[in-house]
Amino acid sequence: NAGVMQNPRHLVRRRGQEARLRCSPMKGHSHVYWYRQLPEEGLKFMVYLQKENIIDESGMPKERFSAEFPKEGPSILRIQQVVRGDSAAYFCASSPPGNTGGRGYTFGSGTRLTVV
Amino acid sequence: QQQVKQSPQSLIVQKGGISIINCAYENTAFDYFPWYQQFPGKGPALLIAIRPDVSEKKEGRFTISFNKSAKQFSLHIMDSQPGDSATYFCAALDNQGGKLIFGQGTELSVKP
Repeated sequence: NAGVMQNPRHLVRRRGQEARLRCSPMKGHSHVYWYRQLPEEGLKFMVYLQKENIIDESGMPKERFSAEFPKEGPSILRIQQVVRGDSAAYFCASSPPGNTGGRGYTFGSGTRLTVV
Repeated sequence: QQQVKQSPQSLIVQKGGISIINCAYENTAFDYFPWYQQFPGKGPALLIAIRPDVSEKKEGRFTISFNKSAKQFSLHIMDSQPGDSATYFCAALDNQGGKLIFGQGTELSVKP
């Protein structure tokens, strides 16, 4: 049973380009969460999605950032017109359906975005 | 207030010693408190977790102590080993929406 799969592992983008980060949840998991980790900092919640629904996007920057979790395929975190401040590690986590109270909450290995 | 405060920021312990990391929270809606271990270049991995109806949980060399009235919880690593050198994060689960609120992290270094 593969864990949470994120790709690419490393992504380099020039300022102004778009970055697309992908996350495939664990088999049987229907909840996906995105977190951002800036250098020397803890993880900050960005968005919580279920299939075709955004449940909580309270941590998403108001502009340039969007996320989706389509009926088929991985969840995508999209950053338009990247700036140097977007350089960070982006982690995806998934959890089983229902309110599990934290059980089964699993993180991927992350995508490290560098904006040059 | 959705914050979790973690201390110390960094910790150096001799092999065989006890590592202690502390966290405090404010939101009483949190109902699950995990600790994560993160190695450089890797994602956070669940180490141990506790619910607020329990005051202590032990798994091997790792123990969580939980003080509900003080809104504090701590991680104790007994017989610390060089392989324990990593960054440790406490977190709290918002039972309303499933998001984790993380502490700032503690970089632990265990010297041989």
